[in-house]
Amino acid sequence: GQQVMQIPQYQHVQEGEDFTTYCNSSTTLSNIQWYKQRPGGHPVFLIQLVKSGEVKKQKRLTFQFGEAKKNSSLHITATQTTDVGTYFCAGNRDYGQNFVFGPGTRLSVLP
Amino acid sequence: GAGVSQSPSNKVTEKGKDVELRCDPISGHTALYWYRQRLGQGLEFLIYFQGNSAPDKSGLPSDRFSAERTGESVSTLTIQRTQQEDSAVYLCASSLVGGGPPDTQYFGPGTRLTVL
Repeated sequence: GQQVMQIPQYQHVQEGEDFTTYCNSSTTLSNIQWYKQRPGGHPVFLIQLVKSGEVKKQKRLTFQFGEAKKNSSLHITATQTTDVGTYFCAGNRDYGQNFVFGPGTRLSVLP
Repeated sequence: GAGVSQSPSNKVTEKGKDVELRCDPISGHTALYWYRQRLGQGLEFLIYFQGNSAPDKSGLPSDRFSAERTGESVSTLTIQRTQQEDSAVYLCASSLVGGGPPDTQYFGPGTRLTVL
């Protein structure tokens, strides 16, 4: 079955440093989503990528979908303590099918 | 408007008992998902309802787990003969459509299940 992996599992950064998490799928995806879950909270949708090679930006966050639509990345520039949380990617192979979540990358930001 | 709601927020039960968890999706959302999240772990897909289509039950870990959804409204997840390994937060999410854009999943606050 479809598998979605994320690396790294954990990342500790100093406030102001950059952070990147990578998402890799065993199969080609039709689209991919990113979610953020704050400690003790529930996942909150960040963005959806659909097109091969697509790049989207939200303030300090940059999301990229690979050309082969099998991988994606989330990059945060100049991290802040408010960025703390676990970042999940989720992909599906075809419309109408369920999304498979990656295991998440837990980000800690030291002030 | 109201988001996804789940009840109860916390449930403590004894091993071997049955539990029922409820999810009220956002009105008009045709797709509904159930996930399990063990402490410090990622989201584990359980089951997916899309409109009147047969649900995707591929994530249910055993036949002790079942879920129902009445039309495009409330869903209940039932765990029979609970085991300690069932202890987790059970998250429900709904989306306007299933599996394709726009398909933002809106998550409920979850039900924290503890099996003693």
